[in-house]
Amino acid sequence: ETGVTQSPTHLIKTRGQQVTLRCSSQSGHNTVSWYQQALGQGPQFIFQYYREEENGRGNFPPRFSGLQFPNYSSELNVNALELDDSALYLCASSQRGITGELFFGEGSRLTVL
Amino acid sequence: AQSVTQLDSQVPVFEEAPVELRCNYSSSVSVYLFWYVQYPNQGLQLLLKYLSGSTLVKGINGFEAEFNKSQTSFHLRKPSVHISDTAEYFCAVADSGGYQKVTFGTGTKLQVIP
Repeated sequence: ETGVTQSPTHLIKTRGQQVTLRCSSQSGHNTVSWYQQALGQGPQFIFQYYREEENGRGNFPPRFSGLQFPNYSSELNVNALELDDSALYLCASSQRGITGELFFGEGSRLTVL
Repeated sequence: AQSVTQLDSQVPVFEEAPVELRCNYSSSVSVYLFWYVQYPNQGLQLLLKYLSGSTLVKGINGFEAEFNKSQTSFHLRKPSVHISDTAEYFCAVADSGGYQKVTFGTGTKLQVIP
């Protein structure tokens, strides 16, 4: 069984740039959620994708967007990067209907300078 | 909307001593409750979950938690900790209907002292 994999693991961007983070969900899972974890904080829900559509969104501006592909992998895109976007971005996959258990990747650590 | 409060940001405890990590939640609907663990430079891993039924839930690595609806609490316990339990622990809540948005607390760092 292949777990959740994320890429890249680390990256550095400058303010105003754009970034794309990628996630391959665990085999058999059809739902992907993205979380932002700032240093010393708990993960904050960004959005969730199911059947290639956004299926719930947290308190994040529209410059945070995403995609889910037919193979259930996903991308998180952030435009016009700000310093406060520096964080660990976590992808979690799950099987809809089996409530609650999220399987997390190890995250992509983004530093915005 | 749900929220989670973890009352302790750090908990130091000696090896082989018992530990309790506290969690309180707020929600206007029925909820599911979870504890996740995060080791350094890793993602989160599910320790245990409460969906329904018995209020005492047993998880991996000898952890257990008790759901108390009247006190809106879901405290995590372990009778004897090991060095390998040093990690950050997150309490989380999801409503029992709708999409699976899981809301996390701010975390408690458990430091096991040899």
